[in-house]
Amino acid sequence: SSELTQDPAVSVALGQTVRITCQGDSLRSYYASWYQQKPGQAPVLVIYGKNNRPSGIPDRFSGSSSGNTASLTITGAQAEDEADYYCNSRDSSGNPNYVFGTGTKVTVL
Amino acid sequence: EVQLVESGGGLVQPGGSLRLSCAASGFTFSSYSMNWVRQAPGKGLEWVSYISSSSSTIYYADSVKGRFTISRDNAKNSLYLQMNSLRAEDTAVYYCARDLGCSSTSCLDYWGQGTLVTVSS
Repeated sequence: SSELTQDPAVSVALGQTVRITCQGDSLRSYYASWYQQKPGQAPVLVIYGKNNRPSGIPDRFSGSSSGNTASLTITGAQAEDEADYYCNSRDSSGNPNYVFGTGTKVTVL
Repeated sequence: EVQLVESGGGLVQPGGSLRLSCAASGFTFSSYSMNWVRQAPGKGLEWVSYISSSSSTIYYADSVKGRFTISRDNAKNSLYLQMNSLRAEDTAVYYCARDLGCSSTSCLDYWGQGTLVTVSS
């Protein structure tokens, strides 16, 4: 099965921009979606498809993709953006399954 | 308001069985595919299983194939996960999640709060 790899942790100063990346072979065929998870809470979808935000997600969240790498960018990070972020996509190895990335802890300084 | 409420978690011995339920409300349940996703304590998210709106298409992660069975009852607006031959590594919070049905990716737009399954003797 495919794997999606993320950096374990990144930090960003309040109000600055941070980019979180996700690498995997399946991303050459499928877009990534991105989920935010705060401690003790269920994940929340923040970006899906080419660059779509569900209702209620601030426009400081955006997504992009190139080759085998997908990115989530937070422009003007806020304190409430401190959370774990997971990418997610379909499996490209022939199995119609979903796969999650390893997760990135974002700390807002 | 879309709501997904899981239940059925608890402590079970290795080799035992458990059935999880997810009660859906606030949307037309029969129109959406659904998923189970789990998260071991302190670990990342792991997709477990998918079921289409009519139950005609079902997928499982390799880690649970042959042991877990996903099902749904559209008349009762409910999703289920029958878990057999449970192992210690199945210990996790289990979430049900609604699937938007994005063809170019996965997009799980609503999640329940989860139910904890602990497999231990």
